[in-house]
Amino acid sequence: NAGVTQTPKFQVLKTGQSMTLQCAQDMNHNSMYWYRQDPGMGLRLIYYSASEGTTDKGEVPNGYNVSRLNKREFSLRLESAAPSQTSVYFCAGGMNTEAFFGQGTRLTVV
Amino acid sequence: DQQVKQNSPSLSVQEGRISILNCDYTNSMFDYFLWYKKYPAEGPTFLISISSIKDKNEDGRFTVFLNKSAKHLSLHIVPSQPGDSAVYFCAANDPLTGTASKLTFGTGTRLQVTL
Repeated sequence: NAGVTQTPKFQVLKTGQSMTLQCAQDMNHNSMYWYRQDPGMGLRLIYYSASEGTTDKGEVPNGYNVSRLNKREFSLRLESAAPSQTSVYFCAGGMNTEAFFGQGTRLTVV
Repeated sequence: DQQVKQNSPSLSVQEGRISILNCDYTNSMFDYFLWYKKYPAEGPTFLISISSIKDKNEDGRFTVFLNKSAKHLSLHIVPSQPGDSAVYFCAANDPLTGTASKLTFGTGTRLQVTL
């Protein structure tokens, strides 16, 4: 039982490159979330998915897209990476009011 | 406009003493509050929560107090232990229509428990 698994753990991109962050959960949660953590900013919600087939914008969605492929998987895509997207990204699965987080992806855009 | 605020970026406490971490919020629609603990290079882990209809919840060494009129909550850790050294995030639940909920996080307080 791994909980929430994110890949990759680390990534360096050049400005303008694209990539997809993968997230999978084995906890049967209906809801899944993508957050980013920046120094002094806490965790900010990028996108969330209330259930399979639905996605909604969070607080900081610009520059990102998401796909809820099935109940287990929720991916985050950066189409054209920018240095401002350098951050630590966390995926979470949730049920009601509690969220369970993955270990994070540290992304650097140079 | 930050709806959940943790005004103390860091706190240092001696082992065995009480640690008090504070959190303020502005949105009166928040119906549930949570504390998360985060170690370096790991994801946040759930610690304790409280519903807006209560004013106190206790779990072992951890107690959360909620003052709705002041829009303030606090986490008390007694006694503090070196393993409690971590970043603590306060989070508030914004109820949405449908089945999803949305957590809004504070900026975190780094707690260091010294020997």
